Amino acid sequence: SAVISQKPSRDICQRGTSLTIQCQVDSQVTMMFWYRQQPGQSLTLIATANQGSEATYESGFVIDKFPISRPNLTFSTLTVSNMSPEDSSIYLCSVETSGYGYTFGSGTRLTVV
Amino acid sequence: QKEVEQNSGPLSVPEGAIASLNCTYSDRGSQSFFWYRQYSGKSPELIMFIYSNGDKEDGRFTAQLNKASQYVSLLIRDSQPSDSATYLCAVNREYGNKLVFGAGTILRVKS
Repeated sequence: SAVISQKPSRDICQRGTSLTIQCQVDSQVTMMFWYRQQPGQSLTLIATANQGSEATYESGFVIDKFPISRPNLTFSTLTVSNMSPEDSSIYLCSVETSGYGYTFGSGTRLTVV
Repeated sequence: QKEVEQNSGPLSVPEGAIASLNCTYSDRGSQSFFWYRQYSGKSPELIMFIYSNGDKEDGRFTAQLNKASQYVSLLIRDSQPSDSATYLCAVNREYGNKLVFGAGTILRVKS
């Protein structure tokens, strides 16, 4: 299955600032998925990122708040913009590998103060 | 109605027993079903996935799918304390598309 390197692993940020999270995959993948896991909650999909096209956002998530880049088939970034304490969560990227299901990165634990 | 429902638990079983985790889903068009294990502070780890009605076994784990009843379960045989974690059920409509997750079931295996 694919191996995903995600960074940073954690960060503490001031409200009003932005943080960019990176995911690097060791193989080419068509779609990359970005999830949020709020404290004590399950995973919620933020958006799906295809290479060469705009990301598709789920209800409740907007591009201005969570801009995504997908410059090639092995890399993607998610930016959390103009952060507030409510954005404190774990952010995870995921890819699907044929025959192996969906693999997740190690996650980014974000705390906004 | 939530798309994917799980009992939040905690489900407590003694070491060596069979743990049974259940999941129901609302979308009859769902095609793929996944079970993940998540330890506290870690990212989800895929245990197994199933597409066809019936049972699929992998070591101590067995996934069971009944599409008519919109029900999928995970059995863990010979449960170990190291199996203590949150188990997440996830489904999708088409392979390669987004996953929809349940809230997860906390499993505690007591030695």
